Amino acid sequence: DIQMTQSPSTLSASVGDRVTITCRASQSISSWLAWYQQKPGKAPKLLIYKASNLESGVPSRFSGSGSGAEFTLTISSLQPDDFATYHCQQYNSYWTFGQGTKVEIK
Amino acid sequence: QVQLVQSGAEVKEPGASVKVSCKASGYTFTAYYMHWVRQAPGQGLEWVGWINPNSGGTIYAQKFQGRVTMTRDTSISTVYMELTRLRTDDTAVYHCARQTSDWYFDLWGRGTLVTVSS
Repeated sequence: DIQMTQSPSTLSASVGDRVTITCRASQSISSWLAWYQQKPGKAPKLLIYKASNLESGVPSRFSGSGSGAEFTLTISSLQPDDFATYHCQQYNSYWTFGQGTKVEIK
Repeated sequence: QVQLVQSGAEVKEPGASVKVSCKASGYTFTAYYMHWVRQAPGQGLEWVGWINPNSGGTIYAQKFQGRVTMTRDTSISTVYMELTRLRTDDTAVYHCARQTSDWYFDLWGRGTLVTVSS
């Protein structure tokens, strides 16, 4: 099974900050990586697919990069609506997720 | 409106079974595979398995094989996940999620909390 490791597990930031979350795969997954945002009690929401493709309707302050085994999600200027938990997911071989990164208010 | 609506929370005793439903609307039900993903308290997301709503074919994560069954009813655009021989560590929120043709998930249900406790 492909293991996904996200870091950090928790991130404290302020509105306007640039935020970066990292996701590492236990083996190469090419660009088969997605990022999701989840708020308490809500359904996860797709942000990025194929490592760097922005889902329709997602603000352009979100971006994804990377290939192979190391990936990043960047929020260029954190907004109040962005405080949430973020999950990476590989879909190169079945589907596995990172443990999540909670972005909280500093 | 394109959405997945799941059944309500369940409380079960260890050893019992639970069946969770996920009703799709706003799109062609048989055109997209459906997955089940769970999240235990304080844990990350965990893939459980998938069902092809068109054929009824399924693939389950090895961890759940023998205990999980996914089915569908095309007449009401609904998929089901049944988990048997429940254990306390099966306590989790169970989400259904629609898979795109490119293998990632573009639509999720809000989740169904299943609590296993004596």
